[in-house]
Amino acid sequence: SQQGEEDPQALSIQEGENATMNCSYKTSINNLQWYRQNSGRGLVHLILIRSNEREKHSGRLRVTLDTSKKSSSLLITASRAADTASYFCATDPQNSGYSTLTFGKGTMLLVSP
Amino acid sequence: SAVISQKPSRDICQRGTSLTIQCQVDSQVTMMFWYRQQPGQSLTLIATANQGSEATYESGFVIDKFPISRPNLTFSTLTVSNMSPEDSSIYLCSVVTGNTDTQYFGPGTRLTVL
Repeated sequence: SQQGEEDPQALSIQEGENATMNCSYKTSINNLQWYRQNSGRGLVHLILIRSNEREKHSGRLRVTLDTSKKSSSLLITASRAADTASYFCATDPQNSGYSTLTFGKGTMLLVSP
Repeated sequence: SAVISQKPSRDICQRGTSLTIQCQVDSQVTMMFWYRQQPGQSLTLIATANQGSEATYESGFVIDKFPISRPNLTFSTLTVSNMSPEDSSIYLCSVVTGNTDTQYFGPGTRLTVL
């Protein structure tokens, strides 16, 4: 079953603005991972946040995790046109055994110059 | 991290035929996975490719349709058998390296079935 659900489905902003994407999930997790996909190509791994972590940073990216609400957010600060892509959250459910990921439907981000 | 390559990068096939997709990793990995991404959709796990044993398939996917080989710790193949237009998708392999739980993806194979 679909685990993660991102919102919004699509987001259009201007360069320099911040972009926030949210992800909700249903079951307990070991970790949650965010990915970027450009134009239907392979997925680029952005950040992994574990269930016992609340916030992680990587460059212009900030990820938060609230396990009580079963939700996560990805913030991209000072966005650039090159950030235009689809962003997916993926959850590694507890007791899954094989680190299998369940993906959300994704947020399509458009950053205009 | 891991460097993953897939062959072919894309293909256009006739219905009823089969296509084998290769996935090569630059280091030995225990876990390899195959995902499908249908047009405009998210990724769905097809199976976990286990070295030395049969693949473990997710609900809705069967070995006869998607046979998988995993002859060693750096290589796997996925075959899409008896293809129909509904099989048109991007097929991606992924691996988990070391003990980080991070899953890395290959560049994908874009399959179009006519």
